[in-house]
Amino acid sequence: GAVVSQHPSWVICKSGTSVKIECRSLDFQATTMFWYRQFPKQSLMLMATSNEGSKATYEQGVEKDKFLINHASLTLSTLTVTSAHPEDSSFYICSASSRRLHEQYFGPGTRLTVT
Amino acid sequence: DQQVKQNSPSLSVQEGRISILNCDYTNSMFDYFLWYKKYPAEGPTFLISISSIKDKNEDGRFTVFLNKSAKHLSLHIVPSQPGDSAVYFCAASGGTSYDKVIFGPGTSLSVIP
Repeated sequence: GAVVSQHPSWVICKSGTSVKIECRSLDFQATTMFWYRQFPKQSLMLMATSNEGSKATYEQGVEKDKFLINHASLTLSTLTVTSAHPEDSSFYICSASSRRLHEQYFGPGTRLTVT
Repeated sequence: DQQVKQNSPSLSVQEGRISILNCDYTNSMFDYFLWYKKYPAEGPTFLISISSIKDKNEDGRFTVFLNKSAKHLSLHIVPSQPGDSAVYFCAASGGTSYDKVIFGPGTSLSVIP
């Protein structure tokens, strides 16, 4: 099956610093990658959609200057949380899809805690 | 405005019995529906999907039923097993299947041994 990895699986950072989360499709080329955020006991909230080689499309209410997304290759997308604050603490999940695949496949998620 | 609704936040079922998880949607443009299973602190795992041209899709113990006129779908798990205990998300998309997917709030299923 399609495998998507995320790194790191968890990270603790100080307020004001930046954190980069990587999302990789291991056995397929992902033409589209999605970044989600999940708050405790809530559903997945789509933050942005990124297509390889082009700028990400952000959902309403998501600050693109705060959540920088880069989809530089068909197997790698990164999310950088800039100048992190405690309210950015959350579970971030990426997913990937391709023209060959019919569904999105999710990474294991990254737990971010900002102190 | 929630386009995908799962009105039951939780469900408990005895092992071996049927689990029925329900989902309603409001957007008539949705034409592809998916169910994902999620354990705590993990990413969702794809379970089963159905296109709007079908009304049923079966994969092992999992069957998804779609009622387009009612804008309703359900996931049946038979027989339920303790390992099925997880949060189940219903999701929907419109147009091509790799467009963005709208998730419901999830239903937490507990299968009691």
